[in-house]
Amino acid sequence: GAVVSQHPSWVICKSGTSVKIECRSLDFQATTMFWYRQFPKQSLMLMATSNEGSKATYEQGVEKDKFLINHASLTLSTLTVTSAHPEDSSFYICSAGLAGINGYTFGSGTRLTVV
Amino acid sequence: GNSVTQMEGPVTLSEEAFLTINCTYTATGYPSLFWYVQYPGEGLQLLLKATKADDKGSNKGFEATYRKETTSFHLEKGSVQVSDSAVYFCALRGGGATNKLIFGTGTLLAVQP
Repeated sequence: GAVVSQHPSWVICKSGTSVKIECRSLDFQATTMFWYRQFPKQSLMLMATSNEGSKATYEQGVEKDKFLINHASLTLSTLTVTSAHPEDSSFYICSAGLAGINGYTFGSGTRLTVV
Repeated sequence: GNSVTQMEGPVTLSEEAFLTINCTYTATGYPSLFWYVQYPGEGLQLLLKATKADDKGSNKGFEATYRKETTSFHLEKGSVQVSDSAVYFCALRGGGATNKLIFGTGTLLAVQP
């Protein structure tokens, strides 16, 4: 079945540095990828939708200059948290799928801790 | 806009007990409905789905029926196991061109031996 690989699974970084998270579809081509953020014991908050070859669509309240999303190929999307601060610490999850298909496959998530 | 309302947890059950996690939705058009499960420290896994009214999704002993008249998609399992302990998310994908998944707040299920 469809597999989405997310890397790294966890990362600790210093305040002010940038962190890149990768999301890969391993056995299918993903025209659409989604990035979510999950706070402890809370639901998933959709941050942005990225479509291959075009700019990402950010949800209201999400800073596009802080959370840079690149979806340059049908198998890879990246989320870069720029100038990270402790309040950016969270669990980030990507999902991928083909446009028009009902379900999406989720990555295993990345635990980001900014110290 | 579209939204999902899910019963709050945690839900604590003994092994072999019957499980119900309520989920209701608000949506325009004809959404598809999903249940996802998240085990500790992991991403989400699709548990089951239903794409039209009266459809029943089922997997691993879990079931949910798409009830348009009550705008509900309650998750049930006849006999839970300790290994079912996880967070369960109800979600919908809007009809038409919308392809975003909207999630409920999640329900933590803890099954005790």
